[in-house]
Amino acid sequence: AQKVTQAQTEISVVEKEDVTLDCVYETRDTTYYLFWYKQPPSGELVFLIRRNSFDEQNEISGRYSWNFQKSTSSFNFTITASQVVDSAVYFCALSEAQGGATNKLIFGTGTLLAVQP
Amino acid sequence: NAGVTQTPKFQVLKTGQSMTLQCAQDMNHEYMSWYRQDPGMGLRLIHYSVGAGITDQGEVPNGYNVSRSTTEDFPLRLLSAAPSQTSVYFCASSRGLRNQPQHFGDGTRLSIL
Repeated sequence: AQKVTQAQTEISVVEKEDVTLDCVYETRDTTYYLFWYKQPPSGELVFLIRRNSFDEQNEISGRYSWNFQKSTSSFNFTITASQVVDSAVYFCALSEAQGGATNKLIFGTGTLLAVQP
Repeated sequence: NAGVTQTPKFQVLKTGQSMTLQCAQDMNHEYMSWYRQDPGMGLRLIHYSVGAGITDQGEVPNGYNVSRSTTEDFPLRLLSAAPSQTSVYFCASSRGLRNQPQHFGDGTRLSIL
């Protein structure tokens, strides 16, 4: 069965610290996609990144970076030099590419990141 | 661009009442879906649609109905509201039908008394 685990319920850091949010997934499929979404205090969900199972290269976008490791079924998210505006709930999600048309997402339970000034 | 628009933003219902949560998108996206967000449980898929006239069940469909008469609109109906349906509801849409990033609405916070 598909499953996404975000074991860190809450993380609190001080501004300018680096922080890593963990995501571990389970799937039987060989082809799948992984996503990260951000939910700021205002409540909307913002797409951050999509990665397919065949692309294990790490990705960097400004202060954000993602480490995808198939060997450990993990897709971790690191924020470098965190800022107060990074305070949000972050969700990791999985969708499977095989079978019929599907954009169905399996979400983790989210990690609440609080960045203190 | 409006993107995905959900109405209302907040609603309080009494047990047994029915209501419709509205969702509209102006991006001509084929795929639309409804999720509910509950504390400690992330988001769970209720129903989804791959195009006008085509809908299917997600992970938690009981107590909800959907229809897709146009590409733009995807309303979610609560037939007889129950306290267990107290939640935040998100509508999402995406271009294409496979593994695409979802565009989410701002959510509807629903309380059932």
